[in-house]
Order: sequence, then structure tokens, then C-alpha cells
Amino acid sequence: DSGVTQTPKHLITATGQRVTLRCSPRSGDLSVYWYQQSLDQGLQFLIQYYNGEERAKGNILERFSAQQFPDLHSELNLSSLELGDSALYFCASSVEDYLDTQYFGPGTRLTVL
Amino acid sequence: KNEVEQSPQNLTAQEGEFITINCSYSVGVSALHWLQQHPGGGIVSLFMLSSGKKKHGRLIATINIQEKHSSLHITASHPRDSAVYICAVIPNRDDKIIFGKGTRLHILP
Repeated sequence: DSGVTQTPKHLITATGQRVTLRCSPRSGDLSVYWYQQSLDQGLQFLIQYYNGEERAKGNILERFSAQQFPDLHSELNLSSLELGDSALYFCASSVEDYLDTQYFGPGTRLTVL
Repeated sequence: KNEVEQSPQNLTAQEGEFITINCSYSVGVSALHWLQQHPGGGIVSLFMLSSGKKKHGRLIATINIQEKHSSLHITASHPRDSAVYICAVIPNRDDKIIFGKGTRLHILP
């Protein structure tokens, strides 16, 4: 158990819908990272938050947004869903930044029908 | 061309064999991570390297910054080592992590 929790574990929805994925980092970790893993693209970095502020943005679509709240949990919002958004979405946390060990959550499997 | 290349893509070996997985990258990096993804999907960070060599149990990771290359070695491999091993680099240019496509390792009993 990494100490990082993600909810829900599985999500099945339809094209055009909007969903919210939630992540609670390990106690004491200030950075939260979101990643997408699809069969054809592998793991891709979406976005990083540090202590409530956006720190780095990767290949995140405009239809996607994220935020980190004062209690340091984070949410990833995916809207106008397309079939190609079906993937595993991982959250990870670290104490400070990318030079620290990252602890991964169990992931949320999103299926868009 | 991918900025992070791993080889081999797939590897099947007998229990007890010495395993080497390679990672080559084309960008300047400040650090490199090795991750393990279990068959169930969970991801565990194995090592974070910025230079030299690290060892943890039967796992050894090395990095050569000048040659832009890293290796992950597993000694006395065991069926429970069967997993996908992923190399990821932190580029100097923007600190946005880039992942390799992974090496799928299968250790036969």
C-alpha cells in the first residue's frame, strides 16, 4: 500500500459526459501528479500540482482540468469524453518535486462507451 | 523517434537468470526513474538516479549521463519479478517526465 488513494477504481460512462477522478496523496506529500496510461500511448504525464499551485503541465487536453485543494487532495476533471479517453488514470505524490520518489495510487480505469 | 527507448520490449527467462533491461534517451536529463508495473496494474517506484549506481536487494540500477543510458539488473530472478519495467526521465529543459514504453519481463519457474 503506497498511501495514495484514488477513487473510483472503475468508471464506465458515455461519450460526451463529464467525470471527476479523485486522489488523496500520502500524508506530508506536497506534490501530486496525474498520468494517463493507454494501450497505444503508454504512460503520459498530464499535470503536476505543488501545495495547491499548478507546477508543470504535460500532454493534458483542453477538455481536461485539475486542481489541488487546501487539504492537498486533487481532482482531475475530464469533460466531453471521447472513446479515446478510455485509459488508466494514475495519481502519484511526492514530498516535494520530480527529484523525489513518487508513490503511485492504484489507478482509476475509465471506460468511455 | 521516441525520446526514451527501452530494450528489449519483451523478455522471457528462466528462474535464477541474471536479467538486464536497457534504457537509452536522447535528451539531457536531471534524473531517471525505474518503475515496476505489476500484472494487476499497480506501479511501484524502484529507483531514482541522477548519477552512478544504486542497489536494493536483488535489483541494481546504473546510469551513465554522458552516454545517455541506464540499465536495470535483476540478480537471481524469480517468477515474482514478472512485471513491466518502465524507464522515465526528467529532462533538463522542462522537468516534464517522459516515459519509455516499458519492458515486459516473464520469469519462468
